[in-house]
Amino acid sequence: QQQVKQSPQSLIVQKGGISIINCAYENTAFDYFPWYQQFPGKGPALLIAIRPDVSEKKEGRFTISFNKSAKQFSLHIMDSQPGDSATYFCAASKETSGSRLTFGEGTQLTVNP
Amino acid sequence: GAVVSQHPSRVICKSGTSVKIECRSLDFQATTMFWYRQFPKQSLMLMATSNEGSKATYEQGVEKDKFLINHASLTLSTLTVTSAHPEDSSFYICSASGGAGNTIYFGEGSWLTVV
Repeated sequence: QQQVKQSPQSLIVQKGGISIINCAYENTAFDYFPWYQQFPGKGPALLIAIRPDVSEKKEGRFTISFNKSAKQFSLHIMDSQPGDSATYFCAASKETSGSRLTFGEGTQLTVNP
Repeated sequence: GAVVSQHPSRVICKSGTSVKIECRSLDFQATTMFWYRQFPKQSLMLMATSNEGSKATYEQGVEKDKFLINHASLTLSTLTVTSAHPEDSSFYICSASGGAGNTIYFGEGSWLTVV
C-alpha cells in the first residue's frame, strides 16, 4: 500500500526558531515530493518540491532535505514567523501515475510571537 | 504562477438536491484534474481522477453515481454531488496538473453544507 507517514501531528515553535517536519514513504517508485501549506478554509498551496536526484533544495526560508536510502524527507522552516502558522502536508507521487499525489497526515504548525 | 479556480467557494443546499462545483485551470491546459474531500483537521482524501475527454477513475469507496465528474475540456472539470445529504457536507478541493514541469496546483476549495 502506498503510504506517506508524517510527523509530528502538531508543532509549536517560538518566533525565530526552526520548524522541522518529517515524512517517510514506502514506495521507491515515487519521484516527486512536494510540500503544501494550507491555511484554514483555503486550498493547499505548493510551497516547495524536490525530486530524488538531489539531497537538498532551498527556497528562501524553506528547505527540503531528502534521504533516498532512508526513504525520508523533511521540511525545515528557518526563522519561523507567526504568519507561517498553518497546516503543512508532505506528499509524494510518481510521474507514471499521472501526478496522483499521496498525502501525509498533516502537521499543524503554530509559531508563537 | 499557475492558478486553479474553484466556484462556488461556499454553497448551502437542501437535502435531496444536487449541487455542482466547477474547477478551472486559468492559464494552462490541465490534462488531468483531481477531486479531493477534506474533513476538519484531516488530510486530503482523493475521490477521483479525471482526464479530459474520458471517464473519471474513482477511488475505492467513492460512489460514482453520487459524485458525478465531468472533464469536458482541458480547462474545466465539474463535480456534481447528486441527491446530497448532510453527511456529504465537507470541503471539496480540486487540483490540476499540466502546467510547467507538470506541477500540481490546487484550487481554493469549496465548502458544501447540506441542510
